[in-house]
Amino acid sequence: NAGVTQTPKFRILKIGQSMTLQCTQDMNHNYMYWYRQDPGMGLKLIYYSVGAGITDKGEVPNGYNVSRSTTEDFPLRLELAAPSQTSVYFCASSYLAGNYEQYFGPGTRLTVT
Amino acid sequence: DQQVKQNSPSLSVQEGRISILNCDYTNSMFDYFLWYKKYPAEGPTFLISISSIKDKNEDGRFTVFLNKSAKHLSLHIVPSQPGDSAVYFCAASEGGADGLTFGKGTHLIIQP
Repeated sequence: NAGVTQTPKFRILKIGQSMTLQCTQDMNHNYMYWYRQDPGMGLKLIYYSVGAGITDKGEVPNGYNVSRSTTEDFPLRLELAAPSQTSVYFCASSYLAGNYEQYFGPGTRLTVT
Repeated sequence: DQQVKQNSPSLSVQEGRISILNCDYTNSMFDYFLWYKKYPAEGPTFLISISSIKDKNEDGRFTVFLNKSAKHLSLHIVPSQPGDSAVYFCAASEGGADGLTFGKGTHLIIQP
């Protein structure tokens, strides 16, 4: 039982490039989330999904896209990378919504130069 | 505007003593609160939570207290151990599916 896995661990992008951050969970959780953490700040919600085929925007969705074709996978797409997207990205999942803990992956550290 | 505030960026405590981490919130719709612990280069891990219908929840060395009228919660760690050195995040939920709202974190340093 691997929990939540994220790839890659690190990535450097040039301005204007695109990439996909991968997230997979093996706990059969319906709810999945993408957060970003900037230095000295808390985590901010980018997008979330309540099940396969259903996604919605969080607090900071601009510059990102997501899809959820299966229960297990929730990739985050960055189009036209900008320096402001330099951050650590965390994927999380939970069994139920709201009053249940979320399980986090180890994170992807992205630098855009 | 920050809805969850952790006003102490860092806290240093001697091993064996009590560590008290504080968190304030402004959103009255929050009804579930969680504490996460984070080591460098790892994802946050769940520590303990409390529902708004309770004022205390205990799990081993960890106790969370909630004061709804003051919109304040605190995490007590007794006794503090070297492995407790980490960043602690306070998080809150309105009970919906749209994720958690996090504070900026407090870096707890346990000194031998």
